[in-house]
Amino acid sequence: EAAVTQSPRNKVAVTGGKVTLSCNQTNNHNNMYWYRQDTGHGLRLIHYSYGAGSTEKGDIPDGYKASRPSQENFSLILELATPSQTSVYFCASGGLDTSAETLYFGSGTRLTVL
Amino acid sequence: QQKVQQSPESLIVPEGAMTSLNCTFSDSASQYFAWYRQHSGKAPKALMSIFSNGEKEEGRFTIHLNKASLHFSLHIRDSQPSDSALYLCAVSGSNNRIFFGDGTQLVVKP
Repeated sequence: EAAVTQSPRNKVAVTGGKVTLSCNQTNNHNNMYWYRQDTGHGLRLIHYSYGAGSTEKGDIPDGYKASRPSQENFSLILELATPSQTSVYFCASGGLDTSAETLYFGSGTRLTVL
Repeated sequence: QQKVQQSPESLIVPEGAMTSLNCTFSDSASQYFAWYRQHSGKAPKALMSIFSNGEKEEGRFTIHLNKASLHFSLHIRDSQPSDSALYLCAVSGSNNRIFFGDGTQLVVKP
């Protein structure tokens, strides 16, 4: 089965600090996505990418940057973390331009900003 | 922009019952419709997907899609306690984006 690995699993950061969340996929999927999930809510799209070197804004990009240096890796960067960014973050690969069409999710990163 | 809404927000059913979950969407050009299941503390995982109008059955799970009504549903036959989870519907939008609803929390009581 398709594999997506996120790191770290848990992260505590201070307000104003820089946070980098990492995602690696071994499926050779072109599309990768970053979502956040808050209690009682579904998944909201932050940034996505069509392939190495590309990043696109999703529905809630403010306060986040993304980087796709290679087919396998997609990072989410919080330059100045705020308590409102406390959430669970999921990376996914797959999507409609691949034979898989399904999204495969990593195990998530629980981020707490104090 | 695609709007996806699910109902009900939560549902409690007895073991062995039929469970029905609903999803409506706003973009009639959507082509991909799917259900994902998320057990507590775990990642969402794809359950089933459908691309054309009609019905698709896999084991105890059935998807119905009616594009004209902008509606699709998931039906679980003989619901089991292990089916207790958050169910998320997903619909495609432009540029390979996939939009999710807020989810239905299902509890199946033994």
